[in-house]
Amino acid sequence: ETGVTQTPRHLVMGMTNKKSLKCEQHLGHNAMYWYKQSAKKPLELMFVYNFKEQTENNSVPSRFSPECPNSSHLFLHLHTLQPEDSALYLCASSQYTGELFFGEGSRLTVL
Amino acid sequence: QKEVEQDPGPLSVPEGAIVSLNCTYSNSAFQYFMWYRQYSRKGPELLMYTYSSGNKEDGRFTAQVDKSSKYISLFIRDSQPSDSATYLCASSPGGSARQLTFGSGTQLTVLP
Repeated sequence: ETGVTQTPRHLVMGMTNKKSLKCEQHLGHNAMYWYKQSAKKPLELMFVYNFKEQTENNSVPSRFSPECPNSSHLFLHLHTLQPEDSALYLCASSQYTGELFFGEGSRLTVL
Repeated sequence: QKEVEQDPGPLSVPEGAIVSLNCTYSNSAFQYFMWYRQYSRKGPELLMYTYSSGNKEDGRFTAQVDKSSKYISLFIRDSQPSDSATYLCASSPGGSARQLTFGSGTQLTVLP
């Protein structure tokens, strides 16, 4: 595996479900990010982890819960989501001051 | 007002055309300017990176920044069907990736 890999690629969940998105980076970077991409809207930065410590939380609702057990893995735990949370969730990694490398994203649909 | 404004398109051009993609920004502190390309069902990838004003050329691609008018442009010469993608502009005041502000993206289709 190379680069940034995200699983699952597609996820459909009900509003009462609990699910998790997984991201793994094989680039040796020290920072990892979660972004939300909705149609016709700019990428929204959700969370930033640097050396597995959370350094940024951009006023994200508590129904999104990130977890970073080490510098290579990042999770986004989802519970009691709303239909407006349907979007493409992108994971990225970088050296802290460097270029962002994105995964292919997890397409989430909330029914 | 959004910090980075980008016309969402869609934009369709014939193969071989010169394409001009544009963004405007409002934050005078922005010093770093980037263009990301995102193919369908893929994540964005960095295409061009410039610092402050001026031009930067890489093959068929030229990135241009005019800080006096807060205008960012990407030109594609001799466009190819493989250039069909969504192009995202992004800017930041410093070199930190977490400070990047993205535009909403312009969807480009190059017709063979």
